[in-house]
Amino acid sequence: DQQVKQNSPSLSVQEGRISILNCDYTNSMFDYFLWYKKYPAEGPTFLISISSIKDKNEDGRFTVFLNKSAKHLSLHIVPSQPGDSAVYFCAASTQTGTASKLTFGTGTRLQVTL
Amino acid sequence: KAGVTQTPRYLIKTRGQQVTLSCSPISGHRSVSWYQQTPGQGLQFLFEYFSETQRNKGNFPGRFSGRQFSNSRSEMNVSTLELGDSALYLCASSTQGLAGVNEQFFGPGTRLTVL
Repeated sequence: DQQVKQNSPSLSVQEGRISILNCDYTNSMFDYFLWYKKYPAEGPTFLISISSIKDKNEDGRFTVFLNKSAKHLSLHIVPSQPGDSAVYFCAASTQTGTASKLTFGTGTRLQVTL
Repeated sequence: KAGVTQTPRYLIKTRGQQVTLSCSPISGHRSVSWYQQTPGQGLQFLFEYFSETQRNKGNFPGRFSGRQFSNSRSEMNVSTLELGDSALYLCASSTQGLAGVNEQFFGPGTRLTVL
C-alpha cells in the first residue's frame, strides 16, 4: 500500500523555467512533509519541509505547497537550473511522540535542459 | 561537522550469507534510521534506533535486524541473504528534539549486491 505517491517518474524542464513536482498521500494522519533531492551514488539531501499547519513554505528558489483537503503537495523550483537535475523524493511523517519514521514516495527524476 | 558515514560503500555477497552494515551518525545526533532503496519501490523504512533502543520498525522480515551502541553508531544485519535483498541501504540521523520529527540527514549508502 503506497501511502505516498509520486505519479510522474520523470520530468523535463528547460533552464530558467518553473519545475513543478507533485506528490499525493493517502494517510490523513501525516502532518509533516519533506522533500529530498538525490544525486546518483549519494544519499538523499534534505531540501525543504512543511508542517500541516501551514499551506506554503518558501526557501530561496524552492517553494512547497500543501493542500490538506486534497492530500496533495507540490514542490516548485523557480528558476530551474541544470544543477537541479536529480531525483526528488517527497516524504511524510506523523509526529508520534518523538519517533522518526519517514514514508517516501517513489521519486521523480527531474532533468533540466539547456 | 562531519556528515553521516556508512561502511562499506559496496558489498557483494551470495545467497544464504549474512551481512553487517555500519553507520556513524552526525555528532550529537541520537536517532538513527535505516532505509532500503530499490528501483521502483523508493525508500522503504526498516527501523529506527534512539538511545540504543529500537523505537520504530517497518514491515520487513525478521532476517533484518539492527542495533545501536552507546556512542549512537548503528549496525544493521541481514541474515540468509536473498537475491531480492540487493539494494542501496541508507542510514539517516537526526537530533530528535522535543519537537518530534526533525529533518533526517542521510549517509551515502551501502550498495549491496546478492548473487
